[in-house]
Amino acid sequence: KAGVTQTPRYLIKTRGQQVTLSCSPISGHRSVSWYQQTPGQGLQFLFEYFSETQRNKGNFPGRFSGRQFSNSRSEMNVSTLELGDSALYLCASTPLGGSSYEQYFGPGTRLTVT
Amino acid sequence: AQSVTQLDSQVPVFEEAPVELRCNYSSSVSVYLFWYVQYPNQGLQLLLKYLSGSTLVKGINGFEAEFNKSQTSFHLRKPSVHISDTAEYFCAVSDPPETGANNLFFGTGTRLTVIP
Repeated sequence: KAGVTQTPRYLIKTRGQQVTLSCSPISGHRSVSWYQQTPGQGLQFLFEYFSETQRNKGNFPGRFSGRQFSNSRSEMNVSTLELGDSALYLCASTPLGGSSYEQYFGPGTRLTVT
Repeated sequence: AQSVTQLDSQVPVFEEAPVELRCNYSSSVSVYLFWYVQYPNQGLQLLLKYLSGSTLVKGINGFEAEFNKSQTSFHLRKPSVHISDTAEYFCAVSDPPETGANNLFFGTGTRLTVIP
């Protein structure tokens, strides 16, 4: 079974631009969570989607948004990029009926904002 | 709210020596505890988890951790490390599923460097 895939793996954007990152969960997984990883703040929870609905949300500004499609693929969008948004963005999927201990992580998308 | 403190940001250790990576958590309710490992340019991989039951939990790659409720700790140990264990290790906590939450709260990580 293929793992969680994230595209693109690397991205360079300029301040003020917007960016969309994509996550394809493991086949059969319905929940997708997103995390931001930075050297200063560590790993922080962004949001979780289940059955196309946002189920949980972390403490991030409204510039960070996401969505989930009917095939469980998820995208996250960051508008009006700031230098501090440079980070590794990780997505994790959870099997149907699974709780947080069954999160499977993708390799991440490394976003650099210049 | 849940929080996790990893007391050591970096731990150098010689090959075949034992290692302990420390983790303390803060929570007012029962929680689930985890250790994840992250190798360079990769995502996180679950090493082990404590949900309930025995306080000594065994994971992959020879790692184990002990849940200590009175000290609110969940330290990770390995009796003999290998070069391949060089990586970043993260302790994490979550609410039990009955709360409806499905998010993890991570510590800031401990970089384990195994010296040949």
